[in-house]
Amino acid sequence: DVKVTQSSRYLVKRTGEKVFLECVQDMDHENMFWYRQDPGLGLRLIYFSYDVKMKEKGDIPEGYSVSREKKERFSLILESASTNQTSMYLCASTLGGTYSNQPQHFGDGTRLSIL
Amino acid sequence: GQSLEQPSEVTAVEGAIVQINCTYQTSGFYGLSWYQQHDGGAPTFLSYNALDGLEETGRFSSFLSRSDSYGYLLLQELQMKDSASYFCAVRGGADGLTFGKGTHLIIQP
Repeated sequence: DVKVTQSSRYLVKRTGEKVFLECVQDMDHENMFWYRQDPGLGLRLIYFSYDVKMKEKGDIPEGYSVSREKKERFSLILESASTNQTSMYLCASTLGGTYSNQPQHFGDGTRLSIL
Repeated sequence: GQSLEQPSEVTAVEGAIVQINCTYQTSGFYGLSWYQQHDGGAPTFLSYNALDGLEETGRFSSFLSRSDSYGYLLLQELQMKDSASYFCAVRGGADGLTFGKGTHLIIQP
């Protein structure tokens, strides 16, 4: 089974801090994604990556950046955390190329609170 | 861009059948997927339709009509464990999935 592991289940940070959310997958998947999930808004794509050192903006990239130095690891960075970034963050990975329709495998999520 | 519409909440009775509809608008189309998410859990993949018609997987079926930009998820023989949120998602191009806002399925005994 595919395993997508997010480094923290719960995280509390302060406004203005630089925050790192880590995600690791163990199935050699090419594609990795970061979403945030808010009540009534569903899942919204922040950033994605189809290969090492490659990144593409999703629908809501403002205030975030990402890093993919190794194939198995995709990091989401909040450059200067703000209270409106309090949310559930979900990482996902999938096999295949740019137009892959393989199922996305999700981690358990990180519930981030910014105080 | 892409947008999807699905009901926010559906209520059904244990043992019954329920249909969750999804309409979408997208500039390109590479398939409609369905995901299930229990409270506090991760979304898990249920089904995928690239072509028109019905796909069946056990108690769950998914339907797609590309000409109508419409699909649905059909759940049969409902069980209490099916209480969850269900998301439709569309792949419109060379980017990640766009998800609907989710349908909260409430099952009553």
